[in-house]
Amino acid sequence: RKEVEQDPGPFNVPEGATVAFNCTYSNSASQSFFWYRQDCRKEPKLLMSVYSSGNEDGRFTAQLNRASQYISLLIRDSKLSDSATYLCVVNGGSNSGYALNFGKGTSLLVTP
Amino acid sequence: SAVISQKPSRDICQRGTSLTIQCQVDSQVTMMFWYRQQPGQSLTLIATANQGSEATYESGFVIDKFPISRPNLTFSTLTVSNMSPEDSSIYLCSVAPSGGTEAFFGQGTRLTVV
Repeated sequence: RKEVEQDPGPFNVPEGATVAFNCTYSNSASQSFFWYRQDCRKEPKLLMSVYSSGNEDGRFTAQLNRASQYISLLIRDSKLSDSATYLCVVNGGSNSGYALNFGKGTSLLVTP
Repeated sequence: SAVISQKPSRDICQRGTSLTIQCQVDSQVTMMFWYRQQPGQSLTLIATANQGSEATYESGFVIDKFPISRPNLTFSTLTVSNMSPEDSSIYLCSVAPSGGTEAFFGQGTRLTVV
């Protein structure tokens, strides 16, 4: 079983739609959680960190449920520029040398 | 934050040859990470490189195939040895200057082995 699993995607949504991505992780000792965005032929870049209390950054809301080992990302009012691959990322902490474990990514295509 | 300069950005290599990828960081960091991203796949950790000690390799990756150097706190190299077409991939270096918080990536090296 992979350490980080995500919705397979791809998601094709019209502009203005709300879309949600889900992710589960297997290592209960994981300490930090992130959503990264990767554009085609580019390196991943941090979209937002995910906290147990939930956090919001403009149109983006991330939630973490440690008991269920579940992470989500909600994008409201989708823009064409949101089209990218969204990677669920889990950091195993000092025991794993702070290496990141990546989900396979979910592709989002926002259409006019 | 950290800015990483990775090179080459891309290369096409003959099978059986080796390629060395370099990453230069604009600040001192304890750990550097090397990842591989095969077509249509997510990132897979190859190894963790600490300055002053041997790199730690993940399952499925060995030092003879992917030797790593870490001569100081701002620089690392990854060599892909005796390449075959299966090594065609994007290779990325990464640092996490603050431990468990945000990681930064080099621009990636797109390798094609023919």
